[in-house]
Formats: sequence, structure tokens, C-alpha cells
Amino acid sequence: GQQLNQSPQSMFIQEGEDVSMNCTSSSIFNTWLWYKQDPGEGPVLLIALYKAGELTSNGRLTAQFGITRKDSFLNISASIPSDVGIYFCAGRDTNAGKSTFGDGTTLTVKP
Amino acid sequence: ETGVTQSPTHLIKTRGQQVTLRCSSQSGHNTVSWYQQALGQGPQFIFQYYREEENGRGNFPPRFSGLQFPNYSSELNVNALELDDSALYLCASSLSGTVYEQYFGPGTRLTVT
Repeated sequence: GQQLNQSPQSMFIQEGEDVSMNCTSSSIFNTWLWYKQDPGEGPVLLIALYKAGELTSNGRLTAQFGITRKDSFLNISASIPSDVGIYFCAGRDTNAGKSTFGDGTTLTVKP
Repeated sequence: ETGVTQSPTHLIKTRGQQVTLRCSSQSGHNTVSWYQQALGQGPQFIFQYYREEENGRGNFPPRFSGLQFPNYSSELNVNALELDDSALYLCASSLSGTVYEQYFGPGTRLTVT
């Protein structure tokens, strides 16, 4: 089946630093999604990308849909303590309900 | 506008038992998907319901079944529980169509002993 490889698995950074994480797949997706999950909560959608090559920002977050449609990256600029959490990428082909998730990047921000 | 809610929050069951988990969709949403999230992993798609019919299924055995009701709320039933069924079960609701995004509930933590 489809699998997403998300890296890095974890990151420890200082407050104020920029962060970059990415996701690659062996399959093509029509939509790439980035979520953040806090302890005891469900994933919250950060950014949705619908077109190959698309670059989209949401505040300090920027994500890109790779040209090959098999990868995506997420950047967080000027990190703050509340950025701590697990970030998941997800790919979707046609069915809006069925997303394939990566295994997450755990972000720790040291004040 | 109320968000997605799930009940119960936590549940402990014994191997071989059956369990029912519940989900109330976000107001106006007609599509519900269920995901299983094992510790340290991303959510895995179980199935989706639209207009009370199963509308897509992931790689889960038939002992995982579901229902969607006319008010779009939903249930996930798991029979003959196994230890590996221990996980966070997430419900997500959306409008039908690929352009509409899903909103996740907080999940139900199931422990099978």
C-alpha cells in the first residue's frame, strides 16, 4: 500500500530558530496536508496543498507541494514554545476521507 | 458551530470483548471517517461513511464495522478485541467532495488487556 516517509523523526531546537521537515512517497498524491497534534488531541489541519508546485503560507508556516507530486515540505520560521508538538504530513489521492499519514516529526522547542 | 466530539474519552477492555465508540460530526458535515492511531505512529484509515453507507475502507478486517445515523453521527464497532487493537481511535468529519477538509475529534483511547 501507499507509505509516506517523514523526516526527521524528531527535532530539538532553540526558540527563534527556523525548522524544516519533509515527507516523501512512492506514490503520487493529488493533495498534500500538514497537521499538528498536541497530547490528548486530534490532529489539527495547518496547511492544505492542492496543486503540484504550490507554495502556501499560514502565518510563520510555509509548505510546498513537490513538482513530482511525491513529496512535500513544511517550514516553520522563528519558532516559539507553543510550536511544540507532533507534525504529520498526509497525502490524499481522490477520496476526501482517506488520507495516508506519515509517522510524524516530534518538535521540541527550548526557550 | 460545535466541533467533532467523541465518547468515551478512555476505555479499557479485555481481549475477546466487543467495543462501540461514538462520534458526533461537526455541524453540517455529512461524511465521517475513522482512523486508528497506534502509539508513535500516524493515523491509519479504517473506513468512511457518507449518507449512512460505507464509502471506502482501509486495510482492516471485517471485525471492524461502523454505522452512520441520519443525523450524521457515527459509531465504530470492534468485535473480538485483540491486544494490538489498543490505540487512539480518531473520528473526522467533513463535507463530501475532495476539496473539503476533515476536522478531527480528540479521539478515544482504547486499551485492550
